[in-house]
Amino acid sequence: DTGVSQDPRHKITKRGQNVTFRCDPISEHNRLYWYRQTLGQGPEFLTYFQNEAQLEKSRLLSDRFSAERPKGSFSTLEIQRTEQGDSAMYLCASSLLAYGYTFGSGTRLTVV
Amino acid sequence: AQTVTQSQPEMSVQEAETVTLSCTYDTSESNYYLFWYKQPPSRQMILVIRQEAYKQQNATENRFSVNFQKAAKSFSLKISDSQLGDTAMYFCAFMKHTQGGSEKLVFGKGTKLTVNP
Repeated sequence: DTGVSQDPRHKITKRGQNVTFRCDPISEHNRLYWYRQTLGQGPEFLTYFQNEAQLEKSRLLSDRFSAERPKGSFSTLEIQRTEQGDSAMYLCASSLLAYGYTFGSGTRLTVV
Repeated sequence: AQTVTQSQPEMSVQEAETVTLSCTYDTSESNYYLFWYKQPPSRQMILVIRQEAYKQQNATENRFSVNFQKAAKSFSLKISDSQLGDTAMYFCAFMKHTQGGSEKLVFGKGTKLTVNP
């Protein structure tokens, strides 16, 4: 297993466009998390899935954001009508146990 | 809600010396985990060390050790014999314990550590 993969690594988009990111977790991990990290800050929790069920969403996740994990495998995070404030690193992590978090390398979004 | 505070935005240390990074947290939970993560420039977040709150013994992992003071809600990281490869952002993180497995992490703002040759 090669760990948690995120695609793309970088995305530049114009304000108002929609973007979608993909995360492929470690195959045996049942939980998948999305975090957002702005420059100079620690990651902030956005949402997480247990298998295909989305169990918690942060208040940071406005209605322009939607996440899915069909069939409990890969996950997608979509941002509609992007704004400059959405510029950040979007991190995905998967886990099986409390101390088994594995992070991906992240997708860096720049909204111009 | 839990909060994690790292009061040192930046620190530097000479190669081979020892440095301590500070972290305090606030929670009403009695059972939880604490972590230190390392994020090198443009690279992924990796786990440095973890501590279960119910364990009194401080965790150690090679050159990395923690000083866990549960009553004071303090969780500092000591790096001994610092190496150039230790240069990175270090994040302290909190996770509450549940029977269901892992939970979300609450991170501090991080400390940027530079190891100088």
